[in-house]
Amino acid sequence: GAVVSQHPSRVICKSGTSVKIECRSLDFQATTMFWYRQFPKKSLMLMATSNEGSKATYEQGVEKDKFLINHASLTLSTLTVTSAHPEDSSFYICSASKGLGNQPQHFGDGTRLSIL
Amino acid sequence: GENVEQHPSTLSVQEGDSAVIKCTYSDSASNYFPWYKQELGKRPQLIIDIRSNVGEKKDQRIAVTLNKTAKHFSLHITETQPEDSAVYFCAASIDGNNRLAFGKGNQVVVIP
Repeated sequence: GAVVSQHPSRVICKSGTSVKIECRSLDFQATTMFWYRQFPKKSLMLMATSNEGSKATYEQGVEKDKFLINHASLTLSTLTVTSAHPEDSSFYICSASKGLGNQPQHFGDGTRLSIL
Repeated sequence: GENVEQHPSTLSVQEGDSAVIKCTYSDSASNYFPWYKQELGKRPQLIIDIRSNVGEKKDQRIAVTLNKTAKHFSLHITETQPEDSAVYFCAASIDGNNRLAFGKGNQVVVIP
């Protein structure tokens, strides 16, 4: 169990486009979902924490108006990169956890975003 | 905030030998420490985790040890196999709400 699906896996688009990425927990209800950004050969950088039905909590330095997060249900969170520019090109990956407190996070396959 | 350091950045071992990766953390309030394995182009997979109320946990060829006083924890892989080759990330909880701070990762190469 604990399968997380992320879609799309790859996006290539022009500068100025907004891109939406979906993260779904397929076989469990995710109390909390997380969005990370990963640069080549680098670690996972937490961008924001998303709780169902409430506003996302963003990490310091992450622009909330740039990276819009919606967590409409216990199985779906979306990240929208608004007016994307080449510097937003990166690997975005979500994770989901069950329950409250420190629970294991289960990751999606990630989305490779390339802005031309 | 929490700062997680991971060493070494790259580790090569002969098949059958053991591999040890060490991580240190800065926040004494951290109480949850997972380890993830990420193969090239794939998602990070949780391989083992430990909570601050225990000092050691083992699952077949994988073990994790935690020293709360020194604020470091280590991953031990015994009898390494080529399929153990991957990047391994350690992480430490930032607060009680499941947020994690990750180390920079360690590339483990098992030489057949």
